[in-house]
Amino acid sequence: EAQVTQNPRYLITVTGKKLTVTCSQNMNHEYMSWYRQDPGLGLRQIYYSMNVEVTDKGDVPEGYKVSRKEKRNFPLILESPSPNQTSLYFCASSRGVEEQYFGPGTRLTVT
Amino acid sequence: LAKTTQPISMDSYEGQEVNITCSHNNIATNDYITWYQQFPSQGPRFIIQGYKTKVTNEVASLFIPADRKSSTLSLPRVSLSDTAVYYCLVGAYNQGGKLIFGQGTELSVKP
Repeated sequence: EAQVTQNPRYLITVTGKKLTVTCSQNMNHEYMSWYRQDPGLGLRQIYYSMNVEVTDKGDVPEGYKVSRKEKRNFPLILESPSPNQTSLYFCASSRGVEEQYFGPGTRLTVT
Repeated sequence: LAKTTQPISMDSYEGQEVNITCSHNNIATNDYITWYQQFPSQGPRFIIQGYKTKVTNEVASLFIPADRKSSTLSLPRVSLSDTAVYYCLVGAYNQGGKLIFGQGTELSVKP
């Protein structure tokens, strides 16, 4: 089954404790992206990757890092999480200009 | 990078046709127009994509005028299960990959 998986689905952590949210797709897509969604603000792109070893900043990259060492994986790293990074995070992938497939989301709470 | 404007919310009744218009005055020549549907706590789901004129699939139609400065998503005979947030997205992945979602339109379908 074609899908984008994210782990963990729910995470509660404390300020400053490094964390990684994994994202994996099994569709051999070149394009992958991370979004955060907050009430009243819609979906905002954090980082995206056009291909392996090619990443670039989206609209709200501050406080986040990403890496694309393999085509299928695109982890989101929060080196020192802060409460304002409490949000619902989505990973997505697509082949090109075709539709993006979104993961199920990761709900992160930083206390 | 094209910015989109949509109505914040719309109400409809079961069985009616719903048209949601998105404005994108600064759309670039290579940009495609894509619409997504999102239910609470789920990732957005692709509905339809187009470049110009009219596109129709099994769930919706997309109307794009000649100047491409706006687009209209048409949902025929909506049901309660169509209650969701609808996003219009304009962009071209092969032109940089940065994508900006609009605020979305919250559609409420009543019995």
